Amino acid sequence: DAGVIQSPRHEVTEMGQEVTLRCKPISGHDYLFWYRQTMMRGLELLIYFNNNVPIDDSGMPEDRFSAKMPNASFSTLKIQPSEPRDSAVYFCASRPGFNTEAFFGQGTRLTVV
Amino acid sequence: AQSVTQLGSHVSVSEGALVLLRCNYSSSVPPYLFWYVQYPNQGLQLLLKYTTGATLVKGINGFEAEFKKSETSFHLTKPSAHMSDAAEYFCAVSTFQKLVFGTGTRLLVSP
Repeated sequence: DAGVIQSPRHEVTEMGQEVTLRCKPISGHDYLFWYRQTMMRGLELLIYFNNNVPIDDSGMPEDRFSAKMPNASFSTLKIQPSEPRDSAVYFCASRPGFNTEAFFGQGTRLTVV
Repeated sequence: AQSVTQLGSHVSVSEGALVLLRCNYSSSVPPYLFWYVQYPNQGLQLLLKYTTGATLVKGINGFEAEFKKSETSFHLTKPSAHMSDAAEYFCAVSTFQKLVFGTGTRLLVSP
C-alpha cells in the first residue's frame, strides 16, 4: 500500500477563495482523521470519521470548514471562504480500528494571502 | 475527555547524552498511548506504542517509554542521543475512537 495520500502538497490561495484538500486513506482502514498543525496550537484534531460517517466534528473551528467522506477511499476538507488565519499544515491520518496506531499522510501546507 | 500534556516545547541535549521527553495524560478509561516523531516537512511516524501488558515499551531507533499508571505518565527516553534524533516528538492518547495529541516537543541535539 502506498500509505495515506494527500493532495495537493502545497496550496497558495487568496483570501476569500474556496480551498479543497484531499485525502486517500489506506485501504481497509475504518477511521480517518483530519488534523491541523500550527506553531501556536500544535496538532489539533478537526474531525474524524468511522466507516465514512462523521463521528466528532467538535474541533472544526467554524462553519467555514466542512469535511466529507463519500466513500471508504476518499475524503475532502473544504474551507470556504478561506482566511489568512487558516494558513497551516493539514494532515490526514487513517487507522484500521479503534485504539490502533494512526498512519499519517505527508500533509498539505496551506497559505492564504 | 482524554488529553495529553507534554512538558517543555523544546529540549536541548548534547550528542551522546540521555534524552528524556515528558508526557502526562488524562483519561477516564485505560488509555492506549503512542509516541510519534516528525522530521521537517514530513508527516508523523510511529516510534512506539503502549496497549496492554508490559509497561516498558521499546520502539524504533533505540527509544523506549514506560507507562506509569500511578503517575499518569508515559515519558520517552533514549540512553544516548544522536544528531539524527533532532526532530519534533508528539505523545498521543487513544480511548476507543478518538486520538488526541500533545503540543509536541522539539528535540535539539548539539555536537
